[in-house]
Amino acid sequence: DVKVTQSSRYLVKRTGEKVFLECVQDMDHENMFWYRQDPGLGLRLIYFSYDVKMKEKGDIPEGYSVSREKKERFSLILESASTNQTSMYLCASSLSVAGGTYEQYFGPGTRLTVT
Amino acid sequence: GQQVMQIPQYQHVQEGEDFTTYCNSSTTLSNIQWYKQRPGGHPVFLIQLVKSGEVKKQKRLTFQFGEAKKNSSLHITATQTTDVGTYFCAGRNTGGFKTIFGAGTRLFVKA
Repeated sequence: DVKVTQSSRYLVKRTGEKVFLECVQDMDHENMFWYRQDPGLGLRLIYFSYDVKMKEKGDIPEGYSVSREKKERFSLILESASTNQTSMYLCASSLSVAGGTYEQYFGPGTRLTVT
Repeated sequence: GQQVMQIPQYQHVQEGEDFTTYCNSSTTLSNIQWYKQRPGGHPVFLIQLVKSGEVKKQKRLTFQFGEAKKNSSLHITATQTTDVGTYFCAGRNTGGFKTIFGAGTRLFVKA
């Protein structure tokens, strides 16, 4: 069974704090993704990574950065948290084979509240 | 840029009624995926459609991919309370490598 874990289910941070959200997958997947989920907006891609140390901006990268030092771990960083970053954050991973699209396996999510 | 629109946003049905959610893309898709997210849970993959006009069934669920590969639908026959949740479509643009999610349709089933 593919397992994607996220470091916290719930997190409360103050405005201006630096926030790290960690994601680990155990299936040796090349691709990893960070989304945020807000009511009525669905899943919006923040960043994705197709290999170690490789990253690509998604649709809403502003205010976020990522790190992928090891294949199994993909971190999302909020350099200076703001209240508009209060959201549910979902990590996902998938295989990557040239030309193909594979199902994404999601972690349980981290509900971040910035006060 | 590529957009994937999904309607309706919400649907309330009586148990036993049918349900359909529709997904439309502004561009031609190379494939489309469907996911289900139970309340309080995370999205779980249901199926992927690749061919023009493709139809796939999973028990009471029927998935279709349009001939032009720009739209898709998920139809549930005789809904049950276990069908509650949010259904997302996700499409990959032809020639692209990003998968874009629709906003989802939240299904409520009244027993």
